[in-house]
Amino acid sequence: DVKVTQSSRYLVKRTGEKVFLECVQDMDHENMFWYRQDPGLGLRLIYFSYDVKMKEKGDIPEGYSVSREKKERFSLILESASTNQTSMYLCATWGWMDTEAFFGQGTRLTVV
Amino acid sequence: ELKVEQNPLFLSMQEGKNYTIYCNYSTTSDRLYWYRQDPGKSLESLFVLLSNGAVKQEGRLMASLDTKARLSTLHITAAVHDLSATYFCAGRAGGTSYGKLTFGQGTILTVHP
Repeated sequence: DVKVTQSSRYLVKRTGEKVFLECVQDMDHENMFWYRQDPGLGLRLIYFSYDVKMKEKGDIPEGYSVSREKKERFSLILESASTNQTSMYLCATWGWMDTEAFFGQGTRLTVV
Repeated sequence: ELKVEQNPLFLSMQEGKNYTIYCNYSTTSDRLYWYRQDPGKSLESLFVLLSNGAVKQEGRLMASLDTKARLSTLHITAAVHDLSATYFCAGRAGGTSYGKLTFGQGTILTVHP
């Protein structure tokens, strides 16, 4: 079974803090993704990565950056957290031979 | 740019009834996905539809794809309480990379006695 693990289920951070969300997968998948989920908006893609040290912007990258130093780990960084970044964040992976994505359990981030 | 729209966004059903969730998409999508999400949980894959006319069934859920109409449906037969969840459809625009999915808004389904 593919395992996609996000480091925290719940996080509370203060406005202006630098926040790191970590995602680790154990299936040697090349492709990793960060989505944000908000009620009524579905999931929106923030950033994705095809390979180590590669990254591409998704649909809503503003206020975020990412890091992929190792194949199994993909980090989402909020440089200076703001209240409008309060949301559920979901990591996903995809292997080249797969037909679907596999999602982590999600991190619910609250910025106060 | 691929856009995906679901309707209805909220669905309150009685047990035993049938209903359909619709998923329209704006441009060519080479595959269509349906996911289920329980409150506080991650997304669980239900169906992957790869070609025009594809139909897949699992228990009380059946999904279909009409690429000419740019429409996918998720049909619920004889609903039971366990089906209460949020359902998402997602498309992948033709020519884009694996996993770059565009999601609909989600349909919150509540099944009550």
